Amino acid sequence: EADIYQTPRYLVIGTGKKITLECSQTMGHDKMYWYQQDPGMELHLIHYSYGVNSTEKGDLSSESTVSRIRTEHFPLTLESARPSHTSQYLCASSESKRGGTLAKNIQYFGAGTRLSVL
Amino acid sequence: GENVEQHPSTLSVQEGDSAVIKCTYSDSASNYFPWYKQELGKRPQLIIDIRSNVGEKKDQRIAVTLNKTAKHFSLHITETQPEDSAVYFCAASRAGTALIFGKGTTLSVSS
Repeated sequence: EADIYQTPRYLVIGTGKKITLECSQTMGHDKMYWYQQDPGMELHLIHYSYGVNSTEKGDLSSESTVSRIRTEHFPLTLESARPSHTSQYLCASSESKRGGTLAKNIQYFGAGTRLSVL
Repeated sequence: GENVEQHPSTLSVQEGDSAVIKCTYSDSASNYFPWYKQELGKRPQLIIDIRSNVGEKKDQRIAVTLNKTAKHFSLHITETQPEDSAVYFCAASRAGTALIFGKGTTLSVSS
């Protein structure tokens, strides 16, 4: 079934550790995104990619980095985790529906990774 | 860049009542306006969307209206049910660009 897969679902780590949150999609989408969200709160865009070898920073300043070497894979890395990084991280993907300037950008979300940094 | 304001932040209604959530956007070039519903502990899911060439769209108990001149759009839920309780997010974007979300509205429907 076409979906967006995030691993791990839950992660508890100590301060200073390097971690990578995995995101893969089988939707065949060209665009992918990472959002940071505290439970039930605002969705903050931290990184996005419109295609292979294309990555951009979002509106929320983040100490994380991303890469897009394959269309279906968009991992997010924290070089040195801190307690302030404790949050939920949601991966999303989209493809623009046909329609030219009125094209839709329908985004689908993964189930998220809940990160706790002690 | 685009900025989306969403009101109210919390909304409590009785079952059967209507609920209205309003959003304003700043970028006049934005032309796609989706609404997402996020139930507790789950991922956000698209419930309805509207493009800038349409003023209103309806899907059963939910409807969205768009006023391009005033740069605001609204979600209307009629005959609310307890399962409508969730956080609702509006968003806006230009064609092919990342969605910019509002801060969310927590809707509580009591029976």
